[in-house]
Amino acid sequence: DAKTTQPPSMDCAEGRAANLPCNHSTISGNEYVYWYRQIHSQGPQYIIHGLKNNETNEMASLIITEDRKSSTLILPHATLRDTAVYYCIVRVALRGSQGNLIFGKGTKLSVKP
Amino acid sequence: EAGVTQFPSHSVIEKGQTVTLRCDPISGHDNLYWYRRVMGKEIKFLLHFVKESKQDESGMPNNRFLAERTGGTYSTLKVQPAELEDSGVYFCASSQGGGLGGYTFGSGTRLTVV
Repeated sequence: DAKTTQPPSMDCAEGRAANLPCNHSTISGNEYVYWYRQIHSQGPQYIIHGLKNNETNEMASLIITEDRKSSTLILPHATLRDTAVYYCIVRVALRGSQGNLIFGKGTKLSVKP
Repeated sequence: EAGVTQFPSHSVIEKGQTVTLRCDPISGHDNLYWYRRVMGKEIKFLLHFVKESKQDESGMPNNRFLAERTGGTYSTLKVQPAELEDSGVYFCASSQGGGLGGYTFGSGTRLTVV
């Protein structure tokens, strides 16, 4: 079973920031928070990951609460092409570790004109 | 760099037939993973190769599924004989090391068993 909880769906206006929440209250100290998304009929796409510090890359920002029990993925200026299902996943990430990503149901983000 | 390539993109076969899916990972990626989404369900892990060795095959549903990665390059996933419940989308992914920087997924093979 997925160890994260996400809202099933969200809407966002084009050009506005999309803030996608995720609860992971049972996260362990050595588990990272990963975000992937799946645009219709494509494979999942890696977005960003973090351990405890906030992270930013060219796609998004990841804000992790101090107690690490929840996080928020931020798409700063959502476009129609960001419409997708977004998955929040927690996993241990060690060199040579097993690669089992546990996908839940994710959040279906609809970006509207 | 070229991404993860999967072939075929679609396959329709009859129940009882055999199908072989192929995955070409990103060059130099030792880690290769197979996942699948069957109708209405979540994406589930099938197995993980490190080079040519099976690191974890705990997600393989039964012995009708056989995965190989001869030479540690491309991988094949054979389903023999195929059943109706095998219909779904099969994804392959690859990564360097343990995947700390995330995996790169292919576009998947949509398998329909009729």
